[in-house]
Amino acid sequence: DAGVIQSPRHEVTEMGQEVTLRCKPISGHDYLFWYRQTMMRGLELLIYFNNNVPIDDSGMPEDRFSAKMPNASFSTLKIQPSEPRDSAVYFCASTTSHNEQFFGPGTRLTVL
Amino acid sequence: KQEVTQIPAALSVPEGENLVLNCSFTDSAIYNLQWFRQDPGKGLTSLLLIQSSQREQTSGRLNASLDKSSGRSTLYIAASQPGDSATYLCAVSDSSYKLIFGSGTRLLVRP
Repeated sequence: DAGVIQSPRHEVTEMGQEVTLRCKPISGHDYLFWYRQTMMRGLELLIYFNNNVPIDDSGMPEDRFSAKMPNASFSTLKIQPSEPRDSAVYFCASTTSHNEQFFGPGTRLTVL
Repeated sequence: KQEVTQIPAALSVPEGENLVLNCSFTDSAIYNLQWFRQDPGKGLTSLLLIQSSQREQTSGRLNASLDKSSGRSTLYIAASQPGDSATYLCAVSDSSYKLIFGSGTRLLVRP
């Protein structure tokens, strides 16, 4: 298995632009998580899905953030409009039930 | 609210030394505890998963223990090598499947 796949690996954009991050979970995993890592706040859960349905989005910082999972093999995290304080590394992870969470390589987002 | 603390924040040891990383959590109602390794600029690599019913897990030179009642876990690394240099993160999950992370221990193993 290729593991969790994320794209792009790096994204540099200007304030106000829309940003879309993509994730392909490990095949057969029915839980998908989006995390954000910053120096100040460490790793934080933004939202997670079970069987493509959002279960808990309480970590989403504000309405500028949205996430979708149209099918079992694809999820997106969108920021519109982006702001400099959104600069961080965004990780996607997947798992089955209460098992190990496997993380993707992350997307390093820089908003100028 | 669950809080996870890792001590020390940074550790520097000579090659070959055995070492212990500590993780503590405030709410003992966890489903499992997971240890990760993160290399600079990279993603997280899962090292060990301990279910709440287990006391320890071993993988190669790594051994992780869990004491739910006291809210503690330790990661023991035997015969450390320079390639072990990385940040080690501890995370706990409750019934909601969410992982709550500690801030990590940055380990440097000197040749």
